[in-house]
Amino acid sequence: AQSVTQPDIHITVSEGASLELRCNYSYGATPYLFWYVQSPGQGLQLLLKYFSGDTLVQGIKGFEAEFKRSQSSFNLRKPSVHWSDAAEYFCAVGADTGRRALTFGSGTRLQVQP
Amino acid sequence: DAGITQSPRYKITETGRQVTLMCHQTWSHSYMFWYRQDLGHGLRLIYYSAAADITDKGEVPDGYVVSRSKTENFPLTLESATRSQTSVYFCASSVEGNTEAFFGQGTRLTVV
Repeated sequence: AQSVTQPDIHITVSEGASLELRCNYSYGATPYLFWYVQSPGQGLQLLLKYFSGDTLVQGIKGFEAEFKRSQSSFNLRKPSVHWSDAAEYFCAVGADTGRRALTFGSGTRLQVQP
Repeated sequence: DAGITQSPRYKITETGRQVTLMCHQTWSHSYMFWYRQDLGHGLRLIYYSAAADITDKGEVPDGYVVSRSKTENFPLTLESATRSQTSVYFCASSVEGNTEAFFGQGTRLTVV
């Protein structure tokens, strides 16, 4: 079965600084990978997804992520963080076999300092 | 409005009571899901459904019942609520189970 690890529970960055949120997955074949963002009291919104092809994917709100098969990683990056990026971020993996549902990591809460 | 809607948004119930959380989607997506969100655990899958009348257990199904008589509806029932079921519940839908899932706004359930 697939699994996702987000090693950082909580990250604080200054506004304007760069950001990288880590995500490691476990799955035997090529996974489908996702990053979602959740603002307080809200549902989850898709930031970006990787299915195949170019390993660097662009998403909404200036986010990007890079799929590295050798490291089983799919880290989320943003070159310059805005105060409105403060939220919780979830990495998720989908698989072709077995349970056809997304498996989520435990999330990383991002705080942005002025 | 098109999309996925959950009701109620907030619910307080007593231990031992039965409670049903509703989920409705207007996209005709084949797959629907129920997740619960708890601090430190992220989102955990309770049940999912690949089509009408087809449901399957997720990671944490104990104490929950689902049904899917129509494609657009996927209610979640807690047969006898316990305090450990206090959580935020999210319903989601997708075209294929392993592709992008669209989420509702969530139901915050408190069991006292």
